[in-house]
Formats: sequence, C-alpha cells, structure tokens
Amino acid sequence: QVQLVQSGAEVKKPGASVKISCKASGFSFRSYYMHWVRQAPGQGLEWMAIINPTGDTTNYAQKFQGRVTVTRDTSTSTVYMELSSLRSEDSAVYYCARDNSQNQYGVTGWWFDPWGQGTLVTVSS
Amino acid sequence: SSELTQDPALSVALGQTVRITCQGDSLRFYYASWYQQRPGQAPIIVIYGKSNRPSGIPDRFSGSNSGNTASLTITGVQAEDEADYYCNSRDSSSSHLNWVFGGGTKLTVL
Repeated sequence: QVQLVQSGAEVKKPGASVKISCKASGFSFRSYYMHWVRQAPGQGLEWMAIINPTGDTTNYAQKFQGRVTVTRDTSTSTVYMELSSLRSEDSAVYYCARDNSQNQYGVTGWWFDPWGQGTLVTVSS
Repeated sequence: SSELTQDPALSVALGQTVRITCQGDSLRFYYASWYQQRPGQAPIIVIYGKSNRPSGIPDRFSGSNSGNTASLTITGVQAEDEADYYCNSRDSSSSHLNWVFGGGTKLTVL
C-alpha cells in the first residue's frame, strides 16, 4: 500500500543538527513532490519545505531558511530533512507527506497524502 | 506570507451539523484541503479540491468555498469525529512554492 515510513525519535543538544528520513513505498516516488511539516507539542501544523521530484529544486518556509536542507534519493525512494542549529523551540514531531494536486473548474488545489507516522525530535541540554 | 484563520474551538452535539471555517486571501485563488488529526496520530486528509473525499472518508464530510473562505461541514456528527481539524492552502502571496496551515479547530462532540 501507499505509505511513508519515517526514522525513529531523536534526542539532540542545542546547537546540534538532526537528519530525519522518510522512505516511500507503494507509489512512483520519482513522480511526486514531497513536503515536510512539523508540530510542536500542543501546537498546530507548520509547513516547512518542499522538494521537487528530481531533487534539484527546494523551497523552504522563510522561518527555516538557512537552517533546513531537504534532499531525496530516488534509488532508495527516500526523502531527508536536516535541521541545523537546533534550539529548544525545535522540539516537535516532524512529518513528511506526499504532494498531490488537481485542477478543478479552473482552480488548483493541493493536498498532502499520505503522511509519515511522524518523528519526535527533542532538543534538550 | 499569507495566513489562514480558523476558530480555535467548536463544540457540537452528537448527530448535529457543524461547519468549520477557514479564512485567508489564498483561498480566493486556490482550493483548501482539510485534515483531521486525532491525539497522538498523524493528520489524515478528509477533503481536497472543490469538495472531494478520499476513499474511506464518510460522506458526512463535505467542503465548500466562497470568496476568501473555505468550509468543512460535518453532517450528523459522530463521536469519532472529535479531533483537531486543519485547513491548508498554497500561499498566494509568494512567488515561490510555499504552503500555509490554519491554526486548527478543536472539535468537541457533546
């Protein structure tokens, strides 16, 4: 079935970096854009980044510019998200999600489906 | 970047109808998508496009759009619908590919 499986929980110290993986299966990975979204404890969803199917174009939310790097490996159907200079506010669950889009009646809509199960990153000294 | 605004919380009696709204300039140009998130779980898509439901989503879920507002309506609310609901859209204020989520609506079923 179509699914995304993420790497396990991480505990990092402030100033360190974390790299999370997201392995896709059940669909043609090389045909889809992929997103990263995070959710701090008790907070809402926050969009972070997108990478194109070939991996040569990324877009990052302004908030994360300079600290986040998203890459992908089509040979293993895996997308990665690396966040550097970690601080306590980066403690959150990080999700990968597949991008989908459709034009209906001249209007385009995008949606994220499926989602990975989430990876908890804890930043603590 | 543009924003999407949702009511933080709503409550509805079992079996009644509830409308969850999402406002933002982006919605004048793009459809919203809607996600349900139960505690401790990843979000799942419930509505996308004009008012499309993925397979497995009950037909009591529907969507609509008017101007800068998108709405998610649950008709005949069930206990299992108690969850957080988030809208999402591409950010129309950016020339780059950016997306934005609403702040979420916590739905309580009475």
